[in-house]
Amino acid sequence: DSGVTQTPKHLITATGQRVTLRCSPRSGDLSVYWYQQSLDQGLQFLIQYYNGEERAKGNILERFSAQQFPDLHSELNLSSLELGDSALYFCASSVALGRTEAFFGQGTRLTVV
Amino acid sequence: GDSVTQMEGPVTLSEEAFLTINCTYTATGYPSLFWYVQYPGEGLQLLLKATKADDKGSNKGFEATYRKETTSFHLEKGSVQVSDSAVYFCALRPMNTGFQKLVFGTGTRLLVSP
Repeated sequence: DSGVTQTPKHLITATGQRVTLRCSPRSGDLSVYWYQQSLDQGLQFLIQYYNGEERAKGNILERFSAQQFPDLHSELNLSSLELGDSALYFCASSVALGRTEAFFGQGTRLTVV
Repeated sequence: GDSVTQMEGPVTLSEEAFLTINCTYTATGYPSLFWYVQYPGEGLQLLLKATKADDKGSNKGFEATYRKETTSFHLEKGSVQVSDSAVYFCALRPMNTGFQKLVFGTGTRLLVSP
């Protein structure tokens, strides 16, 4: 158990809908990262937050947004969902910006039908 | 930009065989290098890491050495077990200041048969 908690584990929704994925980082970790794992694109970095502020953006679509709350949990919002958004979404956390280790949650499997 | 290239899988081995999964990288300076493992139905787990040239990371019988001259970080294990069946990801963290972003390879699936 990495200490990073993601909910829900599975999500099935229809095209055009909006969903919210939740991540609770390890106790004491200030930095949260979101990744998307799909069959055709592999593992891709989406976005990073540190202590409530956005710090880095990767290949995140404009239909997607994220935030980190004062209690340090993070949410990834996916809207106007398309079939191609079906993927495993991982959250990871680390203590600080300069640390070399990130611990991953078990992921949320999103299926868009 | 920064990138990681892994050998394509699946790699199929019998129990107790020797394992090598190749990984090479492209990055400026001295990135940190990692191997992550993903067991079926689970998230990624950090297997081992190396933060500077010639460092050797090791864990659970797996080893990898940071080779700056060949820009490689190959994963090895002397005797694999069925329980090692998983997908292995090589990754790097660029040597940038201000933020941390892992760049992953495409993953190599390992299948170990009894």
